[in-house]
Amino acid sequence: GESVGLHLPTLSVQEGDNSIINCAYSNSASDYFIWYKQESGKGPQFIIDIRSNMDKRQGQRVTVLLNKTVKHLSLQIAATQPGDSAVYFCAEIPNTGNQFYFGTGTSLTVIP
Amino acid sequence: DAGVTQSPTHLIKTRGQQVTLRCSPKSGHDTVSWYQQALGQGPQFIFQYYEEEERQRGNFPDRFSGHQFPNYSSELNVNALLLGDSALYLCASSWGDGTHTEAFFGQGTRLTVV
Repeated sequence: GESVGLHLPTLSVQEGDNSIINCAYSNSASDYFIWYKQESGKGPQFIIDIRSNMDKRQGQRVTVLLNKTVKHLSLQIAATQPGDSAVYFCAEIPNTGNQFYFGTGTSLTVIP
Repeated sequence: DAGVTQSPTHLIKTRGQQVTLRCSPKSGHDTVSWYQQALGQGPQFIFQYYEEEERQRGNFPDRFSGHQFPNYSSELNVNALLLGDSALYLCASSWGDGTHTEAFFGQGTRLTVV
C-alpha cells in the first residue's frame, strides 16, 4: 500500500513567522499532490495542489515544493496567523487510481 | 453554492447495528468518495462512486457498502457495527471521472459505536 508520512506531528510558531510543514511519500509513480487544512470539527479544506511535472507552486501566502528525487513535499505558510492553526495533511494521488492517500497530519499551533 | 453536505452530523449506534450516512456533492460534481478518519489519523479511502457505480475500493470489508443516486448524491452503509468503526466519516466530491482533480470535503459525520 501507499505510505504518506509527516516528519513532525506538531509544530508551534510565533504569529508573523513563516511555517514549513514537511511530508514524505513512498510511491514514485504518484503524480498529483494536495495539501489540506483541517480545523477541529470540520472536514479537510483544500489549500493548494501540485502535479509531478512541477517543482513549485505558489498561492496566497502558501507555497508547495515538490522534490521527486527524495519523494518529499513541503508546505510553506508565510506570515503565519492565528487562523492558520489547524492540522495539515498532505495527500498523494497515484497515477494508477483516484484515491487519495493521506498522511497522519501535522498539528500547527500559532502563538499570538 | 452549498458545497458538500453530509447528514447526520453526529450519530450514536450500538454494536451490531447498521447505519446509513448520506452525502450531497457540491453543485456540478458527479463523483463521490467516502473516507474514514479515526481520531488523530489521516482519512482512509473507503470507496468512490461515479455514474452510479463503485469505481474503486480501498481496504475495507464488505460490511461497508454504498450507493450513488441519479442526482449524484450518495449513501454509505455499514452493517454489523464494531466498536472500531467509531470515526469521522467524510464525503468528498469532484468532477468528471475524478482523476487527478481537486476534491471538496464535507464536514463529516461523527459515528460513535457503543
